[in-house]
Amino acid sequence: NAGVTQTPKFQVLKTGQSMTLQCAQDMNHNSMYWYRQDPGMGLRLIYYSASEGTTDKGEVPNGYNVSRLNKREFSLRLESAAPSQTSVYFCASTDRVNYGYTFGSGTRLTVV
Amino acid sequence: AQSVTQLDSHVSVSEGTPVLLRCNYSSSYSPSLFWYVQHPNKGLQLLLKYTSAATLVKGINGFEAEFKKSETSFHLTKPSAHMSDAAEYFCVVNRGKLTFGTGTRLTIIP
Repeated sequence: NAGVTQTPKFQVLKTGQSMTLQCAQDMNHNSMYWYRQDPGMGLRLIYYSASEGTTDKGEVPNGYNVSRLNKREFSLRLESAAPSQTSVYFCASTDRVNYGYTFGSGTRLTVV
Repeated sequence: AQSVTQLDSHVSVSEGTPVLLRCNYSSSYSPSLFWYVQHPNKGLQLLLKYTSAATLVKGINGFEAEFKKSETSFHLTKPSAHMSDAAEYFCVVNRGKLTFGTGTRLTIIP
């Protein structure tokens, strides 16, 4: 029962540090997504990859970069972390948007 | 552009009483709509989805939602609340990508 796997589950960074959040899915889905969740704001799309080899900005891309390494893996990188990036990050995937997304269990990131 | 508005940020009901979580959408055509649930410190789980078939959609755990085009609404209901229903619920619209409402926190009073 893998589905979408995110690592790490928790992380504390100092301002200015960099890190990469990893996401992998084993459902052979074409599309993958990164969201952030903040209290009272729902989930907001950071970046997405409609298919292997393509990436596009979402609603809140500033301060982030992504890599679609292959069909399975989609990573999110923070080059210079800021306190405003303290959030819970979710990765998701789908084969057809009309079917909904499968979500990972999230990464809780704190930037101090 | 499509968006969703969840009308209540917090709803409290007593165990065994009905649940109503309200969602309105804005769209120039019939969208695909979803409800997701997030239990504390957990990921998101799909409760149900509407994709222009039957307007009354049944989901998991006894939840259902009715798509009403005339009211641009997609409210989530359950006849009898259970303690395990305590969670945050998100109304979601398909805009090519899924766009989330701001969420409704459901509290169940014993």
